[in-house]
Amino acid sequence: AQKITQTQPGMFVQEKEAVTLDCTYDTSDPSYGLFWYKQPSSGEMIFLIYQGSYDQQNATEGRYSLNFQKARKSANLVISASQLGDSAMYFCAMREASVSWANNLFFGTGTRLTVIP
Amino acid sequence: DTGVSQNPRHKITKRGQNVTFRCDPISEHNRLYWYRQTLGQGPEFLTYFQNEAQLEKSRLLSDRFSAERPKGSFSTLEIQRTEQGDSAMYLCASSLGQDSSNEQFFGPGTRLTVL
Repeated sequence: AQKITQTQPGMFVQEKEAVTLDCTYDTSDPSYGLFWYKQPSSGEMIFLIYQGSYDQQNATEGRYSLNFQKARKSANLVISASQLGDSAMYFCAMREASVSWANNLFFGTGTRLTVIP
Repeated sequence: DTGVSQNPRHKITKRGQNVTFRCDPISEHNRLYWYRQTLGQGPEFLTYFQNEAQLEKSRLLSDRFSAERPKGSFSTLEIQRTEQGDSAMYLCASSLGQDSSNEQFFGPGTRLTVL
């Protein structure tokens, strides 16, 4: 089974509008972390936001917020007031704290966001 | 620039040749990861170092692949007898400590094309 599922291959949003990028995850580890990364065409992965499985509050970082619904195993990214520079691939990722030494990230297939002027 | 750096940024090689990539992590980071990203996919974990010790390897890492981190600083990833299926972006990431909230900082990647 896929650990991270992103069902939206592509999304369009009007500049200055808000957009939600979907992410669902699958794990039996009670301790895990969820991450969102942005990958512009240059290729570098840029960290956006983190949510821990035990965090009570939804994470926020500037224009980014994470809508964490633990029972549904979803961790959607909300970008408010979209800007042209937000056009990029967005990846949801998970780290399982108890499973391995590595604590490596498992990534979804990504969502390509295009901001329309 | 104190971020993660990778060299070369691009590598074109013929099938059957050996290639080596280098990653310089953020200086105080003890954890170093290699990932591979093929077109249209998210990065996939290859291997992990804590300081100089290689502690975990993915099943994706065939015996043609070898990685080292000799002094716990920079790391190299070598692919022997390259195949066309090895064409991908190879990403290096580093992080500090064992807290699961610690983000991984990624380098710009090395794009490998095997002809």
